[in-house]
Amino acid sequence: QLQLQESGPGLVKSSEILSLTCTVSGGSIISSDYSWGWIRQPPGKGLEWIGNVSYSGNTYYNPSLKTRVTISVHTSRNQFSLKLSSVIAADTSVFYCARQGADGSFDIWGQGTMVTVSS
Amino acid sequence: EIVLTQSPATLSLSPGERATLSCRASQSVREFLAWYQQKPGQAPRLLIYGASNRATGIPARFSGSGSGTDFTLTISSLEPEDFAVYYCQQRYDWPTFGQGTKVEIK
Repeated sequence: QLQLQESGPGLVKSSEILSLTCTVSGGSIISSDYSWGWIRQPPGKGLEWIGNVSYSGNTYYNPSLKTRVTISVHTSRNQFSLKLSSVIAADTSVFYCARQGADGSFDIWGQGTMVTVSS
Repeated sequence: EIVLTQSPATLSLSPGERATLSCRASQSVREFLAWYQQKPGQAPRLLIYGASNRATGIPARFSGSGSGTDFTLTISSLEPEDFAVYYCQQRYDWPTFGQGTKVEIK
C-alpha cells in the first residue's frame, strides 16, 4: 500500500532555508487523481496547510506563506519537496506530507518530522 | 480565507456514550468537508470525506452529516481508542482546518 515518509534536518537556524523531502513508496507519484501536499503543526497547536504540487509540477500555496514557500515534484525519484525560506522560531513545527484526493481530503499521511528553528 | 470553528473545544464523555462534534464554516463549503482523528505523537487519520462518506477501514460508529456551513461528526458509542483530537477541514477554497475538539475520558 502507498506510504509517505518525510526526511530532512531536524534543526534549522533562524533566517535560513528549511528543506524537506517526502518519498512516496508502494505506488507512483504520477497520478492525475491526486496532488501532494505539505501540512505543519506547531507543538500543541492545530494543523496548517502549506501547499500542494501535482505530478506535472502545478503548485498551489497558502496565501499567508506564499512568498516563502517552494514545493517541487521529482517524478524520477517518486519524491516531492518543500523549501521554506527566512525561517523564524514560529516556524518550529511537525511537518507532514500527505496525498490529497479530488474531493480535497488528505487520505494518506506521512508520520511527520519535527523541525526546530534555532536562533 | 474560510474559517472553520469547532465546538466544543473539549468533550468529556465515558466509553459507550455518544459524541457529537460540530464544525461551522464562515461561508458555504458545500460538501467539501473532511474529518480527521489525531492521537498524541501520530499523524492525523482521515475519517470522513465529502461531509458524510466514511474513509476506507473506518468503523460504522463514525458518521458525518451536514452541508453548506454546518457539519457534525457523530461517534455513536465511544470505544476506548476513540479518545483523541478531531479536526475538520475544508477545500472549497484553499484548505483550512478547524482548531480541533478534544474528546477526553470523563
